[in-house]
Amino acid sequence: KAGVTQTPRYLIKTRGQQVTLSCSPISGHRSVSWYQQTPGQGLQFLFEYFSETQRNKGNFPGRFSGRQFSNSRSEMNVSTLELGDSALYLCASSPNPSPDLNEQFFGPGTRLTVL
Amino acid sequence: AQSVAQPEDQVNVAEGNPLTVKCTYSVSGNPYLFWYVQYPNRGLQFLLKYITGDNLVKGSYGFEAEFNKSQTSFHLKKPSALVSDSALYFCAVRDGRSGNTPLVFGKGTRLSVIA
Repeated sequence: KAGVTQTPRYLIKTRGQQVTLSCSPISGHRSVSWYQQTPGQGLQFLFEYFSETQRNKGNFPGRFSGRQFSNSRSEMNVSTLELGDSALYLCASSPNPSPDLNEQFFGPGTRLTVL
Repeated sequence: AQSVAQPEDQVNVAEGNPLTVKCTYSVSGNPYLFWYVQYPNRGLQFLLKYITGDNLVKGSYGFEAEFNKSQTSFHLKKPSALVSDSALYFCAVRDGRSGNTPLVFGKGTRLSVIA
């Protein structure tokens, strides 16, 4: 079974631009979560989607948005990029979002650099 | 609100010695606890979880963790460290009382096993 895939793996943008990252979950997984990883803050939760609906949202500004498609693939968008948005963006999938979860399965991440 | 603390940014251990990576947590309800490992340029890999039952949980690659409710801790342990265990380790918690809370991660502990 293929794992979680994220595209692109690396991205360089300049301040003020926008970016879209893509995540394809493991086949059959319907829950997708996004995290931002930085050296200073560790992993911070961005949002979680299940069956095309956003179930949870972390404490990030409105410049960060996401969506999920009917095939469970998810995208996240960051508009008006700032230098501080440089980070590794991780996507994770699980079969369902129940609290006694099956563990989440993580993709390799997209490394975003904002110049 | 739930939170996780990993008090050590870095842990150094000699190969063959036992290792411990510390984690304490805070949740309102029952804690669902997880450990993940991240190797360079890779996503997070699941190691083990505690949901309920036996306080000693055994996981992948010879790792185990002990849930201690009175100390609100979930330390990761391994009897004999390997150089290949060198990586970044994350503890995470979810409040089991609520069906709609995201997974909250600690800031990570970098483990270096020295030959």
